[in-house]
Amino acid sequence: SQQGEEDPQALSIQEGENATMNCSYKTSINNLQWYRQNSGRGLVHLILIRSNEREKHSGRLRVTLDTSKKSSSLLITASRAADTASYFCATDESGYSTLTFGKGTMLLVSP
Amino acid sequence: NAGVTQTPKFQVLKTGQSMTLQCAQDMNHNSMYWYRQDPGMGLRLIYYSASEGTTDKGEVPNGYNVSRLNKREFSLRLESAAPSQTSVYFCASRASPNYGYTFGSGTRLTVV
Repeated sequence: SQQGEEDPQALSIQEGENATMNCSYKTSINNLQWYRQNSGRGLVHLILIRSNEREKHSGRLRVTLDTSKKSSSLLITASRAADTASYFCATDESGYSTLTFGKGTMLLVSP
Repeated sequence: NAGVTQTPKFQVLKTGQSMTLQCAQDMNHNSMYWYRQDPGMGLRLIYYSASEGTTDKGEVPNGYNVSRLNKREFSLRLESAAPSQTSVYFCASRASPNYGYTFGSGTRLTVV
């Protein structure tokens, strides 16, 4: 069963705008990860945030983690058409060797 | 810099046929995984191998078997394909827990 649930399911914005996606999860985690999937391709790892971290940056990406609310958000600043993809959060649960993925957010960035 | 290589990329099977999906990684990763991706369902774990010599069931193992042939290779076998196994299959690997996955490009399988 899915651990992470992304919100919204779909997001449509204009180039230059910021895009925010949210992820909620249910159990204790070691870390939370975000992945991107372009249409017809494999997933690409974007960023990992550990349970003792609250915020992390990588280029135009900003991830926050609130373990008390069991939620995370991914912010993409100054979006580009090339950012059009599906974005998935994945949780690395305590005591497990695997990641559990959410169903993803489809982001469409229009020129 | 091949990363994770999956073969074949596309396959059409008839119900009842068998086939093996191949996966190889060249990053010396310990752990390897097989997921399937279906519309509206996200990625679901089929089987995984936390380290060479071990394999374990995931969320949806029925109808599948796996073999961790060596540290590099992890194959997924469908013994008697069913239409419900029509899906996109992804292999992934990672060095150890607390690291991200590296995914292959996927195998699109259709069972008719």
